[in-house]
Amino acid sequence: KNEVEQSPQNLTAQEGEFITINCSYSVGISALHWLQQHPGGGIVSLFMLSSGKKKHGRLIATINIQEKHSSLHITASHPRDSAVYICAVRPFGNEKLTFGTGTRLTIIP
Amino acid sequence: DGGITQSPKYLFRKEGQNVTLSCEQNLNHDAMYWYRQDPGQGLRLIYYSQIVNDFQKGDIAEGYSVSREKKESFPLTVTSAQKNPTAFYLCASSIRDLSYNEQFFGPGTRLTVL
Repeated sequence: KNEVEQSPQNLTAQEGEFITINCSYSVGISALHWLQQHPGGGIVSLFMLSSGKKKHGRLIATINIQEKHSSLHITASHPRDSAVYICAVRPFGNEKLTFGTGTRLTIIP
Repeated sequence: DGGITQSPKYLFRKEGQNVTLSCEQNLNHDAMYWYRQDPGQGLRLIYYSQIVNDFQKGDIAEGYSVSREKKESFPLTVTSAQKNPTAFYLCASSIRDLSYNEQFFGPGTRLTVL
């Protein structure tokens, strides 16, 4: 079993829909990251969080440390949001990240 | 502009040849990382370096080598001993702080072995 599990693996939605991507992990962590990878391959860091909730524009990330679960939400989705979204965790006392396999999101106009 | 550059974006090599992938950062970060990405798998750590002249093996170091002679540079050599080198390679950097480890990624190099 992977330490980081994401769901769904693939998600296709209509423009304007509210999107939720989930991440579950099995170890104690000091931080969780949400990353975005566009078709060209480059990766951008969206959020780093260790508790609660963060918001940036149309993106919202939440984390429940007790349940070892995080969600990434996109409001008013747009075709330019189409990308692979990757969850990564940093276990306690470890400078290295463990990555999920990603969720491929496609937003149809 | 501050950031990480990787070159080249696409690289082709013949089987049995060594090849070096470049990674440069001007963010003044101490830590640098090399990851490999394969279809359907999460990023896997090849090597990382916390400080100049020091580096550690990651989870899949076999068939790879690195050097860290300068703070801003962390080249990765894919040797002929790497049995399945065709992959997408990503370099990243961060400040060296256990309490804050946001990593900044380069654009990646796609290596194809012919």
